[in-house]
Amino acid sequence: EPEVTQTPSHQVTQMGQEVILRCVPISNHLYFYWYRQILGQKVEFLVSFYNNEISEKSEIFDDQFSVERPDGSNFTLKIRSTKLEDSAMYFCASTGAWGVSSYNEQFFGPGTRLTVL
Amino acid sequence: DQQVKQNSPSLSVQEGRISILNCDYTNSMFDYFLWYKKYPAEGPTFLISISSIKDKNEDGRFTVFLNKSAKHLSLHIVPSQPGDSAVYFCAADGSGNTGKLIFGQGTTLQVKP
Repeated sequence: EPEVTQTPSHQVTQMGQEVILRCVPISNHLYFYWYRQILGQKVEFLVSFYNNEISEKSEIFDDQFSVERPDGSNFTLKIRSTKLEDSAMYFCASTGAWGVSSYNEQFFGPGTRLTVL
Repeated sequence: DQQVKQNSPSLSVQEGRISILNCDYTNSMFDYFLWYKKYPAEGPTFLISISSIKDKNEDGRFTVFLNKSAKHLSLHIVPSQPGDSAVYFCAADGSGNTGKLIFGQGTTLQVKP
């Protein structure tokens, strides 16, 4: 069964450093997302991406964050200068075209745990 | 901004009995609701969904009920099994066409053998 994959599973970085979290969405999906979950809190939407551009972003997704789909398979989240409060589990998700039976069913990856020291 | 709330952080039930997980929302513009299940060290896994034009959706042991007037939905699991022990998240999609999901805080379900 197709699945969303994410690398690395755990990333440790120093405050102020840049990190890139990588995701490979399901191959025929068109919509891509990043969410995060700070320990003990709810899963929060960060950004949605369609047709090579951001379609919606949350207040959390400020200028320090960026997303990119550099080729036909990868979807990345970059944090330019990490802060302590960026420590969280980051989930990538993808979904197919609207109007098909799996409308809104987003498939999530296993997550990358980011620890900022 | 708690547009989706799950007021019970945990629930414990006996194997074979019914589990009922509850979720409330505040935004009447939400048009689609989903339940996700999450095991430790894994991403959320889609379980079942319901459109705002329906009041019930059933899939095997899982049934979701939607009460739009009360802005309340619930997930029923019958019969509950130990393998159902996980964190259950309620989520709402009110984005229109971007798929942004707004999650509740989650309820940890423990099913005892």
